[in-house]
Amino acid sequence: EVQLVQSGADVKNPGESLRISCKGSGYSFPRYWISWVRQVPGRGLEWMGRIDPDDSDTNYSPSFQGHVTMSTDKSITTAYLQWSSLKASDTAIYYCARHATTAVGTHFDFWGQGTVVTVSS
Amino acid sequence: SYELTQPPSVSVSPGQAASITCSGDKLGDRYASWYQQKPGQSPVVVIYQDMRRPSGIPERFSGSNSGNTATLTISGTQAMDEADYYCQAWASGTVVFGGGTKLTVL
Repeated sequence: EVQLVQSGADVKNPGESLRISCKGSGYSFPRYWISWVRQVPGRGLEWMGRIDPDDSDTNYSPSFQGHVTMSTDKSITTAYLQWSSLKASDTAIYYCARHATTAVGTHFDFWGQGTVVTVSS
Repeated sequence: SYELTQPPSVSVSPGQAASITCSGDKLGDRYASWYQQKPGQSPVVVIYQDMRRPSGIPERFSGSNSGNTATLTISGTQAMDEADYYCQAWASGTVVFGGGTKLTVL
Protein backbone atom coordinates (compact mmCIF):
# COMPACT_ATOMS: atom_id res chain seq x y z
CA GLU A 1 0.00 0.00 0.00
CA VAL A 2 1.38 3.38 -1.03
CA GLN A 3 1.62 5.81 1.87
CA LEU A 4 3.01 9.28 2.39
CA VAL A 5 3.31 10.03 6.08
CA GLN A 6 4.15 13.58 7.08
CA SER A 7 5.69 14.97 10.23
CA GLY A 8 3.52 16.46 12.94
CA ALA A 9 2.26 19.97 13.50
CA ASP A 10 4.75 22.65 14.45
CA VAL A 11 4.58 26.10 16.00
CA LYS A 12 7.40 28.55 15.35
CA ASN A 13 8.28 32.19 15.88
CA PRO A 14 8.87 34.49 12.91
CA GLY A 15 12.48 34.29 11.74
CA GLU A 16 12.98 30.71 12.94
CA SER A 17 13.91 27.83 10.68
CA LEU A 18 11.88 24.69 10.10
CA ARG A 19 12.09 21.43 8.21
CA ILE A 20 9.05 19.20 7.71
CA SER A 21 9.15 15.70 6.28
CA CYS A 22 7.21 13.28 4.10
CA LYS A 23 8.10 9.59 4.28
CA GLY A 24 7.08 7.42 1.36
CA SER A 25 6.44 3.70 1.65
CA GLY A 26 4.90 0.90 -0.35
CA TYR A 27 6.54 1.88 -3.64
CA SER A 28 9.91 2.59 -5.23
CA PHE A 29 10.60 6.03 -3.77
CA PRO A 30 13.18 7.21 -6.37
CA ARG A 31 10.83 6.52 -9.28
CA TYR A 32 8.16 9.13 -8.55
CA TRP A 33 8.41 12.89 -8.24
CA ILE A 34 7.14 14.51 -5.04
CA SER A 35 5.46 17.90 -4.99
CA TRP A 36 4.65 20.16 -2.06
CA VAL A 37 1.33 21.99 -1.93
CA ARG A 38 0.34 24.80 0.43
CA GLN A 39 -3.16 25.46 1.71
CA VAL A 40 -3.79 28.52 3.82
CA PRO A 41 -6.77 27.83 6.13
CA GLY A 42 -10.00 28.48 4.28
CA ARG A 43 -8.19 28.99 0.98
CA GLY A 44 -7.28 26.94 -2.08
CA LEU A 45 -4.37 24.73 -3.08
CA GLU A 46 -1.08 26.32 -4.17
CA TRP A 47 1.66 24.32 -5.85
CA MET A 48 5.07 25.12 -4.36
CA GLY A 49 7.32 22.95 -6.47
CA ARG A 50 8.46 19.41 -7.08
CA ILE A 51 11.55 17.30 -6.57
CA ASP A 52 12.84 14.20 -8.33
CA PRO A 53 13.97 11.89 -5.53
CA ASP A 54 16.27 10.05 -7.90
CA ASP A 55 18.63 12.94 -8.66
CA SER A 56 17.24 15.75 -6.44
CA ASP A 57 16.37 17.85 -9.47
CA THR A 58 13.91 20.54 -8.41
CA ASN A 59 11.44 22.89 -10.08
CA TYR A 60 10.00 25.62 -7.89
CA SER A 61 6.96 27.77 -8.44
CA PRO A 62 8.09 31.38 -8.99
CA SER A 63 5.89 32.28 -6.00
CA PHE A 64 8.03 30.17 -3.65
CA GLN A 65 11.44 30.21 -5.33
CA GLY A 66 14.08 31.41 -2.89
CA HIS A 67 11.87 31.11 0.18
CA VAL A 68 11.78 27.34 0.59
CA THR A 69 14.14 24.46 -0.15
CA MET A 70 13.10 20.95 -1.16
CA SER A 71 15.33 17.95 -0.64
CA THR A 72 15.16 14.19 -0.30
CA ASP A 73 17.05 11.36 1.36
CA LYS A 74 16.62 8.25 -0.76
CA SER A 75 18.16 6.04 1.91
CA ILE A 76 15.21 6.68 4.21
CA THR A 77 12.64 7.38 1.44
CA THR A 78 11.89 10.81 2.83
CA ALA A 79 11.28 14.18 1.22
CA TYR A 80 11.77 17.46 3.07
CA LEU A 81 10.52 21.02 2.85
CA GLN A 82 12.63 23.59 4.62
CA TRP A 83 12.48 27.26 5.57
CA SER A 84 15.46 29.25 6.86
CA SER A 85 13.42 32.21 8.09
CA LEU A 86 9.69 31.78 8.61
CA LYS A 87 7.13 34.54 8.26
CA ALA A 88 3.65 34.76 9.73
CA SER A 89 2.30 34.39 6.19
CA ASP A 90 3.80 30.87 6.07
CA THR A 91 1.06 29.71 8.44
CA ALA A 92 -0.72 26.99 6.49
CA ILE A 93 -1.20 23.28 5.95
CA TYR A 94 1.51 21.75 3.79
CA TYR A 95 0.87 18.60 1.80
CA CYS A 96 3.28 16.36 -0.01
CA ALA A 97 1.87 14.60 -3.05
CA ARG A 98 3.22 11.92 -5.34
CA HIS A 99 3.18 12.43 -9.08
CA ALA A 100 1.60 9.48 -10.88
CA THR A 101 4.50 9.48 -13.37
CA THR A 102 7.80 11.29 -13.75
CA ALA A 103 6.54 13.47 -16.54
CA VAL A 104 5.14 16.90 -16.98
CA GLY A 105 1.38 16.73 -17.40
CA THR A 106 0.71 14.09 -14.82
CA HIS A 107 -1.59 14.20 -11.81
CA PHE A 108 -1.11 13.53 -8.10
CA ASP A 109 -2.19 10.02 -7.18
CA PHE A 110 -1.31 9.94 -3.48
CA TRP A 111 -1.22 12.68 -0.85
CA GLY A 112 0.21 12.94 2.62
CA GLN A 113 -2.06 13.76 5.56
CA GLY A 114 -0.76 17.33 5.73
CA THR A 115 1.43 19.17 8.23
CA VAL A 116 0.05 22.21 10.02
CA VAL A 117 2.63 24.95 10.40
CA THR A 118 1.82 27.92 12.62
CA VAL A 119 4.13 30.92 12.69
CA SER A 120 3.28 33.35 15.44
CA SER A 121 5.04 35.49 17.98
CA SER B 1 1.27 33.29 -15.54
CA TYR B 2 -1.32 30.69 -16.44
CA GLU B 3 -4.59 30.80 -14.55
CA LEU B 4 -7.46 28.38 -14.05
CA THR B 5 -10.82 29.86 -13.13
CA GLN B 6 -13.57 28.00 -11.28
CA PRO B 7 -16.91 29.21 -9.92
CA PRO B 8 -16.63 29.69 -6.15
CA SER B 9 -19.74 27.66 -5.47
CA VAL B 10 -22.21 25.29 -7.08
CA SER B 11 -25.41 23.98 -5.52
CA VAL B 12 -27.28 20.84 -6.51
CA SER B 13 -30.22 18.83 -5.24
CA PRO B 14 -29.63 15.21 -4.26
CA GLY B 15 -30.01 12.90 -7.23
CA GLN B 16 -29.47 15.68 -9.77
CA ALA B 17 -26.39 16.25 -11.92
CA ALA B 18 -23.77 18.78 -10.88
CA SER B 19 -21.33 20.38 -13.28
CA ILE B 20 -18.23 22.28 -12.22
CA THR B 21 -16.26 24.18 -14.83
CA CYS B 22 -12.61 25.12 -15.03
CA SER B 23 -11.52 27.72 -17.57
CA GLY B 24 -8.07 28.49 -18.89
CA ASP B 25 -6.46 29.59 -22.12
CA LYS B 26 -6.42 26.61 -24.51
CA LEU B 27 -6.99 24.30 -21.56
CA GLY B 28 -8.20 21.65 -23.98
CA ASP B 29 -4.63 21.35 -25.30
CA ARG B 30 -3.42 20.04 -21.94
CA TYR B 31 -4.58 17.39 -19.51
CA ALA B 32 -6.91 18.43 -16.71
CA SER B 33 -7.28 16.64 -13.39
CA TRP B 34 -9.86 17.09 -10.64
CA TYR B 35 -9.47 16.68 -6.88
CA GLN B 36 -12.10 16.36 -4.18
CA GLN B 37 -11.31 17.70 -0.73
CA LYS B 38 -13.61 17.22 2.23
CA PRO B 39 -13.19 19.26 5.43
CA GLY B 40 -10.14 18.23 7.41
CA GLN B 41 -8.98 15.76 4.76
CA SER B 42 -6.32 15.64 2.08
CA PRO B 43 -7.32 16.04 -1.57
CA VAL B 44 -8.23 12.92 -3.53
CA VAL B 45 -8.02 12.67 -7.32
CA VAL B 46 -11.39 11.88 -8.88
CA ILE B 47 -10.57 12.50 -12.56
CA TYR B 48 -7.23 12.58 -14.37
CA GLN B 49 -6.21 12.95 -18.01
CA ASP B 50 -9.45 14.84 -18.64
CA MET B 51 -11.79 11.88 -18.23
CA ARG B 52 -10.12 8.92 -16.57
CA ARG B 53 -11.41 7.71 -13.21
CA PRO B 54 -9.00 6.19 -10.67
CA SER B 55 -9.99 2.85 -9.23
CA GLY B 56 -12.38 3.28 -6.36
CA ILE B 57 -13.96 6.47 -7.69
CA PRO B 58 -17.69 6.02 -8.40
CA GLU B 59 -18.86 5.97 -11.99
CA ARG B 60 -21.06 9.00 -11.34
CA PHE B 61 -17.90 11.13 -11.63
CA SER B 62 -16.96 12.03 -15.21
CA GLY B 63 -14.89 14.66 -16.96
CA SER B 64 -14.43 16.40 -20.28
CA ASN B 65 -12.02 18.99 -21.63
CA SER B 66 -12.28 20.98 -24.85
CA GLY B 67 -11.45 24.44 -26.03
CA ASN B 68 -10.89 26.62 -22.99
CA THR B 69 -13.02 24.66 -20.52
CA ALA B 70 -12.74 21.45 -18.54
CA THR B 71 -15.87 20.16 -16.84
CA LEU B 72 -16.36 17.80 -13.93
CA THR B 73 -19.82 16.24 -13.90
CA ILE B 74 -21.30 14.33 -11.02
CA SER B 75 -24.43 12.48 -12.06
CA GLY B 76 -26.90 11.44 -9.40
CA THR B 77 -25.16 13.62 -6.81
CA GLN B 78 -25.18 12.27 -3.28
CA ALA B 79 -24.82 14.03 0.05
CA MET B 80 -21.38 12.47 0.42
CA ASP B 81 -20.22 14.39 -2.67
CA GLU B 82 -20.45 17.69 -0.83
CA ALA B 83 -16.87 18.96 -0.83
CA ASP B 84 -14.44 21.40 -2.40
CA TYR B 85 -13.30 20.52 -5.91
CA TYR B 86 -10.11 21.73 -7.56
CA CYS B 87 -9.02 21.46 -11.17
CA GLN B 88 -5.34 21.14 -11.99
CA ALA B 89 -3.23 21.39 -15.13
CA TRP B 90 0.34 22.02 -16.16
CA ALA B 91 1.67 25.15 -17.83
CA SER B 92 5.30 25.85 -18.77
CA GLY B 93 6.51 22.97 -16.65
CA THR B 94 4.67 24.09 -13.53
CA VAL B 95 1.50 22.87 -11.85
CA VAL B 96 -1.50 25.18 -11.68
CA PHE B 97 -4.59 24.70 -9.51
CA GLY B 98 -7.92 26.38 -9.97
CA GLY B 99 -9.26 28.42 -7.08
CA GLY B 100 -11.66 25.68 -6.05
CA THR B 101 -15.43 25.22 -6.10
CA LYS B 102 -17.52 24.45 -3.05
CA LEU B 103 -20.21 21.94 -4.01
CA THR B 104 -23.26 22.09 -1.79
CA VAL B 105 -25.84 19.32 -1.94
CA LEU B 106 -29.16 20.58 -0.63
